[in-house]
Formats: sequence, structure tokens, C-alpha cells
Amino acid sequence: AQSVAQPEDQVNVAEGNPLTVKCTYSVSGNPYLFWYVQYPNRGLQFLLKYITGDNLVKGSYGFEAEFNKSQTSFHLKKPSALVSDSALYFCAVRPYNAGNMLTFGGGTRLMVKP
Amino acid sequence: DTGVSQDPRHKITKRGQNVTFRCDPISEHNRLYWYRQTLGQGPEFLTYFQNEAQLEKSRLLSDRFSAERPKGSFSTLEIQRTEQGDSAMYLCASSLEGRSNEQYFGPGTRLTVT
Repeated sequence: AQSVAQPEDQVNVAEGNPLTVKCTYSVSGNPYLFWYVQYPNRGLQFLLKYITGDNLVKGSYGFEAEFNKSQTSFHLKKPSALVSDSALYFCAVRPYNAGNMLTFGGGTRLMVKP
Repeated sequence: DTGVSQDPRHKITKRGQNVTFRCDPISEHNRLYWYRQTLGQGPEFLTYFQNEAQLEKSRLLSDRFSAERPKGSFSTLEIQRTEQGDSAMYLCASSLEGRSNEQYFGPGTRLTVT
């Protein structure tokens, strides 16, 4: 069975500084990896995904993520954080060849301070 | 608005009552998913439809839960004899066919069982 770990419950960063939200996964075979963001009282919004190819994936709102197969990681990054990036971020995995459900991590709250 | 919609947004019910939630997916999406999210946790998969066929069900989906998608468009999730442990946010998502395709989530229905 697949699993996702987000080791930090909360990440604090100052506006304008780079941010990283960590994600590691466990899955049999090759993974499809996703990042979603959740704002208060709203549903999850898709940010980006890794399917195959280039390990650096670019997504919405200036976010990017780096797939590292040897470390089974898919960390979310942004070069310069905005206060409006403050939200709950979820990493999710789906095996390449089994099932259609997403398995989510527990989420990381990002707080960007002015 | 052409996103995933869910109704109602909030439901308060007494223990033992039945509740039904509705999800309207993005119109061209033939796949529809239900997830449950409790406070401080990531979403957990409940079930998945391709068109009108229910193809996967989680062990979380007890006998008190039933989901339908009769015409391959909207879906309903019914919980019979609700328990306090059923209190959660119930999320619906839809996607195009294909494991690499991202799922788009609705705003969720928050259920409170008193």
C-alpha cells in the first residue's frame, strides 16, 4: 500500500524568502505525484503534478516541485513567498499501475509573515 | 461556474438519522471520487465511479454508506444511522479518464453529528 509523509505540521517563512514544503512517499512501482492547496472554507485546489520526464515540475502561482526518485521525495518550492500563499498544502501519490485513488499526506500549514 | 459543486455545504444531524449529499462533477469528466477529511488530516479515499459504474470502494466505506451515480453525471452519498464518528468534511472530486489526470475537488460538505 502507498503512503505519503509530510514531516512538518507547519512551516513559517517571511514574505519574499524562498519556501520549501517537504513530502516523501512510499509506493510500489513508479508514482504519479500531486500537490494541492486548501484555503479556509474552500476545496482543494490542484497546484502541480509529476508524471514522467523532467524532475522539476512547474505549476500554478509560481510554485514548483522537484521529484527525487532515490530519496522518494517530491518537495514543493517557491523562490519568493507571498502572504497570500498562507494555506494548508497536501502532497498526494497515486501508483502508476494500480488503483485510481489518491493517497494524501497529513498536510503542512504554511504561514508567510509580512 | 464550471467547477465541481456539492450540496449542502453544511449539514447538522442527530445521531441515528440518515443524510444524503450530492455532488455535481465537471461536465466532461467521466470519473467521480468521494473522500472524507477529518480535522487535521488529509483526505481519505472512500469510493470512485467511472461513468455510472462504482469501481473501487475503500474499507472505510462501511455498510452504512452507499454511493450512487445513476446516470453517470451527478452522484449521491448516503450515510444511514449516522454516528458521531461520521462527523467530517466529505469531498467530491472529478477527473478525466486516465491515471495521470489530476482530480478537481468541490468545496465539500461538512457533516456534524450531534
